Amino acid sequence: NAGVTQTPKFQVLKTGQSMTLQCAQDMNHNSMYWYRQDPGMGLRLIYYSASEGTTDKGEVPNGYNVSRLNKREFSLRLESAAPSQTSVYFCASSGADRAGTMNTEAFFGQGTRLTVV
Amino acid sequence: QQQVKQSPQSLIVQKGGISIINCAYENTAFDYFPWYQQFPGKGPALLIAIRPDVSEKKEGRFTISFNKSAKQFSLHIMDSQPGDSATYFCAASMMERPGGGNKLTFGTGTQLKVEL
Repeated sequence: NAGVTQTPKFQVLKTGQSMTLQCAQDMNHNSMYWYRQDPGMGLRLIYYSASEGTTDKGEVPNGYNVSRLNKREFSLRLESAAPSQTSVYFCASSGADRAGTMNTEAFFGQGTRLTVV
Repeated sequence: QQQVKQSPQSLIVQKGGISIINCAYENTAFDYFPWYQQFPGKGPALLIAIRPDVSEKKEGRFTISFNKSAKQFSLHIMDSQPGDSATYFCAASMMERPGGGNKLTFGTGTQLKVEL
């Protein structure tokens, strides 16, 4: 059981380049998330998808776009990378209980370390 | 706006000692308070979590203490071991929001080092 898989694990971009971070989960979870982790700031939510077909902004969405491709996959795109986007990016997913009345715990991928020079 | 404040930023504890990390939150709508453990180069992994209807939850050497009136919660690691050396994050979310997902608001993290 792979859980949450992110690709690539490492990436170096030049300022202005674009790239897409990929994320896939095999737990049949409804909800998926993208966080960024910066030193001294914890993890901050960039975008999330509460269910297939919906996406919403999180705390720090500027400079990013997302696509919920299907129930398994949620991608994060940087259209024009900036040095301020140098960070470690984590994808996560969570489900709901059988009754659908409560969310379940979130599981995280291994992260993508992105450097923008 | 930091909705979840965590302290200390770093902590050094002797093997066998007790590690204590504290968090405070502002949003009274939060109803789920997990602690995540992260090793270098890895993603955060759920360690233990608590709902606000109980004041304490214990799993092995790890205990969460929760004070709803003070809007504070803490992680206690008993008999700390070198293998516990990691970064710990507290977080908060609203679990009872069906269809809204489990959006976590994280604290800033505590780097714990357990020395021999």
